[in-house]
Amino acid sequence: GAVVSQHPSWVICKSGTSVKIECRSLDFQATTMFWYRQFPKQSLMLMATSNEGSKATYEQGVEKDKFLINHASLTLSTLTVTSAHPEDSSFYICSARGRRTSGTSYNEQFFGPGTRLTVL
Amino acid sequence: AQKVTQAQTEISVVEKEDVTLDCVYETRDTTYYLFWYKQPPSGELVFLIRRNSFDEQNEISGRYSWNFQKSTSSFNFTITASQVVDSAVYFCALTPNSGAGSYQLTFGKGTKLSVIP
Repeated sequence: GAVVSQHPSWVICKSGTSVKIECRSLDFQATTMFWYRQFPKQSLMLMATSNEGSKATYEQGVEKDKFLINHASLTLSTLTVTSAHPEDSSFYICSARGRRTSGTSYNEQFFGPGTRLTVL
Repeated sequence: AQKVTQAQTEISVVEKEDVTLDCVYETRDTTYYLFWYKQPPSGELVFLIRRNSFDEQNEISGRYSWNFQKSTSSFNFTITASQVVDSAVYFCALTPNSGAGSYQLTFGKGTKLSVIP
C-alpha cells in the first residue's frame, strides 16, 4: 500500500502562534488530500478537501482563514493553524488518494499517523 | 446526506471471546464503499477492509470477518478469539464512489473495544 507521512508528530505551542503541519505522500502522487480533526474520544471530522493546484474546499463550520491549507505539489499538503488557541488543541490527521507512478488510481485514502497539537 | 451509526460506544470482552461491532449506515448514493479502520492508542488509523456496495459477499481474514447486508444497511465486524492486541477504537466509514463528495469519508463515532486478559 501507499505511505503517507506527517510532520511533526506532536507539537506544543503558545496561544497566538501559528503552527504548520506537513502531510506527504511518499510513494505515490496525491491528487487529493483530506484533513481531519479528532478531539479526544471523538470521531474524525473532515475539515477540508484539497486537490493539487486548487484551493481547498472547507466543510461547513471550518474557518478557512484560521486553517490554511496549501496543496502545491502532488506529494505535499500543509495545514497551518493560524493564531492558535487552546480550543484548537486536537489530533490532526491527513489522508491522501491519487495514483501510482504507473498511472493507475488508488480508490482508497491512505492516512498519515497524525499530529497532536497542544496549545497552551 | 450520509450517516454512519455505531451504536456501541464501548465494549469489554475477556480474551478469547468473540465480539461483534455493529455498523449501520444511511446514504442516498446507489454506489458506495464501506470501510473499517482500527485506531490503537498510538492514534494511527489502520485500514482493515473496504467493501464495494455491489459486493455483498461476506469476507473472512484470519480472526476477522465482516457481514455486509444491504437490505438492512449494516456492515458488522466480528473478531473471533479476541486478543489483548485487538484493544483499540474501531471506526466504520462510508464514501460514495462517484459524483460530488466521492472519496470523502463519513465516519461513525467509533466503538472502543477493550480485551481483558
